[in-house]
Amino acid sequence: QVKLVESGGGLVQPGRSLRLSCEASGFTFSSYAMHWVRQAPGRGLEWITSLSYDGSHKFYADSVKGRFTISRDNSKNTVSLQMNSLRVEDTAVYYCAKDPSRLVEYGFLDSWGQGTLVAVSS
Amino acid sequence: DIQMTQSPSSLSASVGDRVTITCRASQSISDYLNWYQQKPGRAPKLLIYTATSLQSGVPSRFSGSASGTDFTLTISSLQPEDFATYYCQQTDSAPFTFGGGTKVEIK
Repeated sequence: QVKLVESGGGLVQPGRSLRLSCEASGFTFSSYAMHWVRQAPGRGLEWITSLSYDGSHKFYADSVKGRFTISRDNSKNTVSLQMNSLRVEDTAVYYCAKDPSRLVEYGFLDSWGQGTLVAVSS
Repeated sequence: DIQMTQSPSSLSASVGDRVTITCRASQSISDYLNWYQQKPGRAPKLLIYTATSLQSGVPSRFSGSASGTDFTLTISSLQPEDFATYYCQQTDSAPFTFGGGTKVEIK
């Protein structure tokens, strides 16, 4: 069965960087697009970025564009989120999620990880 | 960016009730509308994709419909395990925005 496990969350000061990883198993990782979605405490879901199966297509929300970078290593079944210049408002649970399409042509999220908490505070 | 307006933001219902949740897009999104269920402390779960398609393993009491830029999630007979928060999401074009959520509570 599909399994997605996020790691790398923690407490970080404003302006610093953090790198999240999501390890996938149970499916042919290299064939599917992947996404990151976040949820601030007590708030709704916010889509933040997507990456096609081969890394050729990337999409970002305006709230993270220029600060966050999504990447993948298909040899390690891993998708990563490099987060730079972190702000207090980036505090959230970060979920990675699988897309059933290759080039994000569907865009919906059919499997999710359990999430990892990022807290940005001085 | 496409805005998704979800209503109501919360509702109270009893087991066995028929429940409808609505999502309105700020512009045409064809049928690129999906519904998710989230329970406290858990990751969201896909229920409906492309407006009307039921995700594998999801009970048939859940259904989706569309009319122009208005989309509806219907639970035909609410069960105890259905008390949760529901979100719509458009995937017509990036950014793939979510609605604000509807919390379904026990009456």
